[in-house]
Order: sequence, then structure tokens, then C-alpha cells
Amino acid sequence: AQSVTQLDSHVSVSEGTPVLLRCNYSSSYSPSLFWYVQHPNKGLQLLLKYTSAATLVKGINGFEAEFKKSETSFHLTKPSAHMSDAAEYFCVVNTGNQFYFGTGTSLTVIP
Amino acid sequence: EAEVAQSPRYKITEKSQAVAFWCDPISGHATLYWYRQILGQGPELLVQFQDESVVDDSQLPKDRFSAERLKGVDSTLKIQPAELGDSAMYLCASSPVRVSSYNEQFFGPGTRLTVL
Repeated sequence: AQSVTQLDSHVSVSEGTPVLLRCNYSSSYSPSLFWYVQHPNKGLQLLLKYTSAATLVKGINGFEAEFKKSETSFHLTKPSAHMSDAAEYFCVVNTGNQFYFGTGTSLTVIP
Repeated sequence: EAEVAQSPRYKITEKSQAVAFWCDPISGHATLYWYRQILGQGPELLVQFQDESVVDDSQLPKDRFSAERLKGVDSTLKIQPAELGDSAMYLCASSPVRVSSYNEQFFGPGTRLTVL
């Protein structure tokens, strides 16, 4: 069975400090993993994806994530938070045509 | 760049009325998904199509919701009658069918439904 756990429902950081959004997954198969960002009243925008190539994945807007099979984790990081990063973030596992969403992490950036 | 189109972007209706949402996936994408996202929660899959066939509608409230993708291209999601609890964002996504490697979803901007 596949599942996704986002360990923090809410994260608050100061502008210019690092961001860490945590995601653990469970999958019977070799999964593909994604992070999406959603701004208020908007659709989901793909930040980055892991597809069994390099374990360190770089995405848009300075975000990156590292796939750690031994820890079944796919945490999202950014060295320096910007005000525009304030949004909801979703970790997603894909096997075949099935997609499994985490419950989301709301990121607040304090000026 | 190709995008998933949805309309309307916003819809306000009264309970017991009928509403319909439209989605046009990226050209050539065989798989189409409808999600419901209640405020503060993650997307919940309502129905998944492969071409014109329903692959998964286990979470679709079939007494009031219906979905179709007659020609395997665009799709319509209908609610009749709408209830207060249906207020949510309705997201459409599409993905190509890839035999190997991975798949990826492309999301539309969503339709925000408010039921009064």
C-alpha cells in the first residue's frame, strides 16, 4: 500500500532563514515523488520531482529535495525563505497512474 | 506552454441547485482526474478517467455527483443537487500515459464553488 505523511501541518520561518518541510512515504514499489505548491485560491504548481535518477533534486524558486530510501523520506528544503514562499505545500507519491497526496504543510514566512 | 483549462473559475450557487464544471486537459493526455479540495485539506480524488473510461470513482458521491468524458478529451463534473458541504475547490488534472519511468500530473487553476 502507498501512503504519504507530511510531518508538520504548519511551519513558520523568518524571511531569509532556511526552510525544511518534511515528508515520509510508504510504497510497495519504487515510487516517483513530487512536491507541489499551492497559493491561495490557485491550482497546484509542480516544484520538483524525483524519478529514480539523482537522489538530490533541484526544483524551481531555489527549492530542492533529497530522496532517502533508507529513511523513506523526501524532505523539501530551501536555504533562504522569501515572503513569496508563503503557501501550502503537498508531497505526492506516484505509482503507475495512482497519485497519493499528503495532507499538506502550510508555510508562513515572517518578515 | 500547454495548460489544463477549467471553467468557471468561481461559482456561487444556492443549495439544491445544479452546477457543472468543465475541464480541458493538455492535448494528448489520456488520463484525467477530478479532485475536491476542502479548505485547509489536501486534494481528494473524486474520479479518474483513462480516455473515456472511468478507472476509479470509488470516492465519488454517486447520488449527487456525475462525471463524464464522452470523447476521451474534455470532461464535465456535475453536482445535482448541491449541498452546503460541497463548498470546496474542484481541481482537474491530466497526465500522459507512460509505460515506464514515471507519470506526472498537470493541474488546472481550479473552480472555487460556494454553496449558500
